[in-house]
Amino acid sequence: DVKVTQSSRYLVKRTGEKVFLECVQDMDHENMFWYRQDPGLGLRLIYFSYDVKMKEKGDIPEGYSVSREKKERFSLILESASTNQTSMYLCASSFVARFSGNTIYFGEGSWLTVV
Amino acid sequence: KQEVTQIPAALSVPEGENLVLNCSFTDSAIYNLQWFRQDPGKGLTSLLLIQSSQREQTSGRLNASLDKSSGRSTLYIAASQPGDSATYLCAVRNAGGTSYGKLTFGQGTILTVHP
Repeated sequence: DVKVTQSSRYLVKRTGEKVFLECVQDMDHENMFWYRQDPGLGLRLIYFSYDVKMKEKGDIPEGYSVSREKKERFSLILESASTNQTSMYLCASSFVARFSGNTIYFGEGSWLTVV
Repeated sequence: KQEVTQIPAALSVPEGENLVLNCSFTDSAIYNLQWFRQDPGKGLTSLLLIQSSQREQTSGRLNASLDKSSGRSTLYIAASQPGDSATYLCAVRNAGGTSYGKLTFGQGTILTVHP
């Protein structure tokens, strides 16, 4: 079974703290994604990585950065957490898009509260 | 820019009914369309993936169809059960433009099946 593991399920951080959200996949997928999900706004793409050390901004990258030093790991970084970053964060991975049969797999999500 | 719309936003049905969830998208340049299920507070579970060259996919009581030219997909659930209660999301994997390789999600349909 494909496994996408998000290391922290629930976090509470203070405003201004630096926050790391880690995601690991075990299927040798090239593509990895970070989304946030908020009531009424649905899932919004923060960053997309199509391969190691490669990244592309999504729809809402402001206030976030990412790191992909190894193929299996994709980290989301909040440089200085703010209360409007309180949300559920979802990581996903897949093989490259051009093979149209490729399923995208999601982790269980990380609930971040910034106080 | 790709936009995905799901109708209805919420649906409540008695156990045993057959039901249809609808998804429409604005840009037909897609690799595939995927239907997901999300239980409260959890990540997304993939239900069905339809490649752009396919018309439908079936898994157990679920059947999903795709009409790429008209930008529509339906998810048919036969003989609904209380355990089917969840939020159902559709997402397209984009094949063109600045959204290449990325998923665009609909807002979801909240399904409640009551005994």
